[in-house]
Amino acid sequence: AQTVTQSQPEMSVQEAETVTLSCTYDTSESDYYLFWYKQPPSRQMILVIRQEAYKQQNATENRFSVNFQKAAKSFSLKISDSQLGDAAMYFCAYRSADDMRFGAGTRLTVKP
Amino acid sequence: GAVVSQHPSRVICKSGTSVKIECRSLDFQATTMFWYRQFPKQSLMLMATSNEGSKATYEQGVEKDKFLINHASLTLSTLTVTSAHPEDSSFYICSARDQRRGPNYGYTFGSGTRLTVV
Repeated sequence: AQTVTQSQPEMSVQEAETVTLSCTYDTSESDYYLFWYKQPPSRQMILVIRQEAYKQQNATENRFSVNFQKAAKSFSLKISDSQLGDAAMYFCAYRSADDMRFGAGTRLTVKP
Repeated sequence: GAVVSQHPSRVICKSGTSVKIECRSLDFQATTMFWYRQFPKQSLMLMATSNEGSKATYEQGVEKDKFLINHASLTLSTLTVTSAHPEDSSFYICSARDQRRGPNYGYTFGSGTRLTVV
């Protein structure tokens, strides 16, 4: 079974600074997708960024980018120019076929 | 964009009663929907995969008779918690994939239901 590991339960960053959230996963599949979701206090799950495993180029969405290392099965999220609104739980997710598995989450605090 | 509506957002029920939670895809058809459970400060745990017109697929350890799932149409899946007990109190979230979009699009989530059993 696929597993997703987020080893950082909590992270903190100063406003306008950069922070990297870690994620590793275990799979024997070759075709899969990786995602980072944000869950603010409202509990609504919001897609932040996605990466296809067959693509070597790292995905980027404005201030959010990933470092995808397929051989190492690593998928970290970098948030640049952190904003107060970035404070939330962040979940790394793995998907192959039609089900999605989540890591334990990292709670990000942004200090003004 | 794809929108998933989940109701109710909060519900309090007495032990022994049943509670139904609805998950609707508002602007797309979803042959498959997913139900997750989230305990405080924990991750989302997949409970079951709901398939339109057929039986749901439950994850190991999830009681089929306690958590009844019905996916009678392409836009509606329901989760019924039967004979609820206080330990069933949790946050339940549904999600669906907009199949008009590519597989890399990810899933759209409902806003969740906080169930409290007293």
